[in-house]
Amino acid sequence: TQLLEQSPQFLSIQEGENLTVYCNSSSVFSSLQWYRQEPGEGPVLLVTVVTGGEVKKLKRLTFQFGDARKDSSLHITAAQPGDTGLYLCAGAEYGNKLVFGAGTILRVKS
Amino acid sequence: GAGVSQTPSNKVTEKGKYVELRCDPISGHTALYWYRQSLGQGPEFLIYFQGTGAADDSGLPNDRFFAVRPEGSVSTLKIQRTERGDSAVYLCASSLTVVGDYGYTFGSGTRLTVV
Repeated sequence: TQLLEQSPQFLSIQEGENLTVYCNSSSVFSSLQWYRQEPGEGPVLLVTVVTGGEVKKLKRLTFQFGDARKDSSLHITAAQPGDTGLYLCAGAEYGNKLVFGAGTILRVKS
Repeated sequence: GAGVSQTPSNKVTEKGKYVELRCDPISGHTALYWYRQSLGQGPEFLIYFQGTGAADDSGLPNDRFFAVRPEGSVSTLKIQRTERGDSAVYLCASSLTVVGDYGYTFGSGTRLTVV
């Protein structure tokens, strides 16, 4: 099973600051997804990236897939308290199984 | 239904007991997945169904864990002789066949506590 490492594990910032979360692996994935999870709920899909070098934007969130499809990053501009949550990256192995990273806990203080 | 439904939402059981966790996927989703999530960790794969058959059960930790999906819709995860280490949130997800494009839709999970 391929492993995904996320960093940082925990991030506490002030409202309005920018941040980047990283997701790295030594293996290639057919696609990579980012999820956000709130306490007591299941993860909710934010984006899927498929092509090496792909960049996708979702309002203040920018997602990038590495050229070699082994790594990805999530950048949030001008973070807001509503962005608080657990951010998970997940790589799709060939087939339908997703492998998840351990997650980054983001806390945005107002 | 509109989303993935998991019941019960919480389950407390005594060590050694048998438990069943139920998952009702989104109508039309042929793929169904069970994951387990411990506190502070990402979800860990357990088993994946395509239709009625288990396409990949490599994540089941041992033979105390078993899952079925007899009619290709509702699935039940069964845990025999529960141990305290089985305590976790058990997440179910469903997807259209090609997960790369559409991702998973998760339920809210069943929080299992073994005392």
